[in-house]
Amino acid sequence: GAGVSQTPSNKVTEKGKYVELRCDPISGHTALYWYRQSLGQGPEFLIYFQGTGAADDSGLPNDRFFAVRPEGSVSTLKIQRTERGDSAVYLCASSLTSTSGEQFFGPGTRLTVL
Amino acid sequence: AQSVTQPDIHITVSEGASLELRCNYSYGATPYLFWYVQSPGQGLQLLLKYFSGDTLVQGIKGFEAEFKRSQSSFNLRKPSVHWSDAAEYFCAVGAAGSYQLTFGKGTKLSVIP
Repeated sequence: GAGVSQTPSNKVTEKGKYVELRCDPISGHTALYWYRQSLGQGPEFLIYFQGTGAADDSGLPNDRFFAVRPEGSVSTLKIQRTERGDSAVYLCASSLTSTSGEQFFGPGTRLTVL
Repeated sequence: AQSVTQPDIHITVSEGASLELRCNYSYGATPYLFWYVQSPGQGLQLLLKYFSGDTLVQGIKGFEAEFKRSQSSFNLRKPSVHWSDAAEYFCAVGAAGSYQLTFGKGTKLSVIP
């Protein structure tokens, strides 16, 4: 079956612009996660959804970052007033449930802020 | 708080040689442990996982890992490396019944033909 998909694969934007990154999880997976991976680092947790609600957004760096999952499937990560420091690969993952242990990752969106 | 240390940033091995990638974790209870591999431009692929039971875990692509509670380690091994194994490897720790994963900074593996 299809894995986790993310669009776009690459996004180049200018400082101060707004961007949206999309994640389509594995069908039937109720839990969805966003991570950010900076150069030379491992993925860092941003936010976790159980169904439609954000159960834990403690990893979001500031209020410029926001994510939604309105129908409990596709999720969008939104970044306002982008800064050069936001440049990173944004990874999405999903799992069957929040306690099933294994997360399946998408290929990521590489965001470059000029 | 849980943490993961991968002491080796970059390792180079010859094709056919054995491999061991180190991972040390810090966690108060019995952890869930994972090894993921990331090839250039690709997402993270799960190699293997440890939840409980046998401390020697077999994974895909001929990899195995051993959980050693006394050393807080979960080292990844492969007896004979192939050129296609060149990638970045991440160790991660999670808590039983929890969604949170904490990743190490990764070890980049280069393979000399």
